[in-house]
Amino acid sequence: GQQLNQSPQSMFIQEGEDVSMNCTSSSIFNTWLWYKQDPGEGPVLLIALYKAGELTSNGRLTAQFGITRKDSFLNISASIPSDVGIYFCATGANNLFFGTGTRLTVIP
Amino acid sequence: GAGVSQSPRYKVAKRGRDVALRCDSISGHVTLYWYRQTLGQGSEVLTYSQSDAQRDKSGRPSGRFSAERPERSVSTLKIQRTEQGDSAVYLCASSLRGTTDTQYFGPGTRLTVL
Repeated sequence: GQQLNQSPQSMFIQEGEDVSMNCTSSSIFNTWLWYKQDPGEGPVLLIALYKAGELTSNGRLTAQFGITRKDSFLNISASIPSDVGIYFCATGANNLFFGTGTRLTVIP
Repeated sequence: GAGVSQSPRYKVAKRGRDVALRCDSISGHVTLYWYRQTLGQGSEVLTYSQSDAQRDKSGRPSGRFSAERPERSVSTLKIQRTEQGDSAVYLCASSLRGTTDTQYFGPGTRLTVL
């Protein structure tokens, strides 16, 4: 199957700090999606990217579709405690392939 | 409710037994998916169906996994002769139309095989 590598695997940050995480693939894709999953819940879509180089924001979240179409980045500005969770990148055509996730912990 | 729901939320099964997991998708959604999520390995799609046609995309070579769709907004994932390696969270998702539409996920069923 497809391999999506996310980094870092986990992050511990102070409230108010900015966060950056990325996702890379050995294959080219036409779509990049970023999801957040809270404990005991399913993933919730945060941002969808459909074009190489595209930069899209959703509140304090900003994601970019890498120009090579093999990677994507997610940034969270001014983190707050409710940002805690696991962030997954995903891509694919008929079916989604998920990355291994970045677990974010925000220290108040 | 307006979202995707799954039942049971937790399931413990003895190795070798069959299990059935239920998903109630969002009313009106055409495509329904089942994913398997394991810690540190991400999620993989097991199967998906569009409307009433079941399209099995399972990568499980043993064929122990199957899904039925008795109603348009209901799907049941069946795992036969469970193995310890089947322990995972099973996520159901649905999308309004085809596979390029946004997928909405349920909370998952955590299966533990002893």
